[in-house]
Amino acid sequence: KAGVTQTPRYLIKTRGQQVTLSCSPISGHRSVSWYQQTPGQGLQFLFEYFSETQRNKGNFPGRFSGRQFSNSRSEMNVSTLELGDSALYLCASTYLAGDTGELFFGEGSRLTVL
Amino acid sequence: QKEVEQDPGPLSVPEGAIVSLNCTYSNSAFQYFMWYRQYSRKGPELLMYTYSSGNKEDGRFTAQVDKSSKYISLFIRDSQPSDSATYLCAMTVTGGGNKLTFGTGTQLKVEL
Repeated sequence: KAGVTQTPRYLIKTRGQQVTLSCSPISGHRSVSWYQQTPGQGLQFLFEYFSETQRNKGNFPGRFSGRQFSNSRSEMNVSTLELGDSALYLCASTYLAGDTGELFFGEGSRLTVL
Repeated sequence: QKEVEQDPGPLSVPEGAIVSLNCTYSNSAFQYFMWYRQYSRKGPELLMYTYSSGNKEDGRFTAQVDKSSKYISLFIRDSQPSDSATYLCAMTVTGGGNKLTFGTGTQLKVEL
């Protein structure tokens, strides 16, 4: 069975631009979560979507947004990019939005902001 | 101070050694505890999952949770070079959904 697919895998942007990242969850999974991973802060929770509704949100500014489509695919958008947004953005899926923490992660989208 | 503290390493051990990885946390509401393994240029993969206190064993891996001390551990027996990776502890509260709080990870290298 196919895993979580994230596109693009690598991208370079300049300050002030915006970026959209895409995530296709494992077939049948309805919950999608996004995390930002940086060397200094580690993995930090961005948001979680279940059945097209945002269920949880982390402590990130409003420049970070996301959505989920009816087929469970998800996108996240970062507007007005800053140098500090350079990171690996990881998407994870589960069947339900439960408390198990048993997330299946994709390989991530590595964003570099110049 | 971070909610979850984890020694970043790197930790280098010979093949066959017993490895001990640890995390401390400050939020007493954490009830679900996980260990993830992340290879270079890959996403994290779940290794162990424990609810509340106690031990859990799966093959060469043992996870321990001591809620009274706010301390969790992962032991790897008979370590192999293929165990070389970054190990991340993670935890969440009841009702937290899939909002996990991660440690920053410990880089492990198992040498031949």
